Amino acid sequence: KNEVEQSPQNLTAQEGEFITINCSYSVGISALHWLQQHPGGGIVSLFMLSSGKKKHGRLIATINIQEKHSSLHITASHPRDSAVYICAPRRDFGNEKLTFGTGTRLTIIP
Amino acid sequence: EPEVTQTPSHQVTQMGQEVILRCVPISNHLYFYWYRQILGQKVEFLVSFYNNEISEKSEIFDDQFSVERPDGSNFTLKIRSTKLEDSAMYFCASSEAQGGQPQHFGDGTRLSIL
Repeated sequence: KNEVEQSPQNLTAQEGEFITINCSYSVGISALHWLQQHPGGGIVSLFMLSSGKKKHGRLIATINIQEKHSSLHITASHPRDSAVYICAPRRDFGNEKLTFGTGTRLTIIP
Repeated sequence: EPEVTQTPSHQVTQMGQEVILRCVPISNHLYFYWYRQILGQKVEFLVSFYNNEISEKSEIFDDQFSVERPDGSNFTLKIRSTKLEDSAMYFCASSEAQGGQPQHFGDGTRLSIL
């Protein structure tokens, strides 16, 4: 069983729709990254959070440490949001490596 | 905004040859990482580096791999005798401090072994 599970694996939506991507993990963590990977391959860090909720523009990330679950939401989605979104928990303090989910491929249709 | 830069963006090498992938982390960052992503698969941790030594490495990071910070700005990954299965995208990342600080990623080096 993967330590990090994301759902859905693929998501296609119309421009303007509200998007939710889910991440569940099975290990104890100190923080969790949400990352965006574009078709060219580069990775951009969107959020790092260890509790509650963070918002940046149209992106919102939430985490529930007790339930080992995090979500990434995109409001008013746009075709430029099309990318692979990856959840990457960081293990307990003292262990800085990230464990990556398989990613959610998001396609926003104009 | 400061960035992690990686060179080259694409490296093509014959099997058995040595290859060095280069990274310039963000200048005030102290923790450095290499990850790799085989085509179609998820990103995997290779190694973390702090205070001029490896702090953790994965089972992938065997004796053919080494990392070095040869000067105050570069962080390199060397693969001594490349194999076909080393073909992947290699990402460098850095973070300012341990615990509570996000990792910042470079755009990656695509390594193709022929």
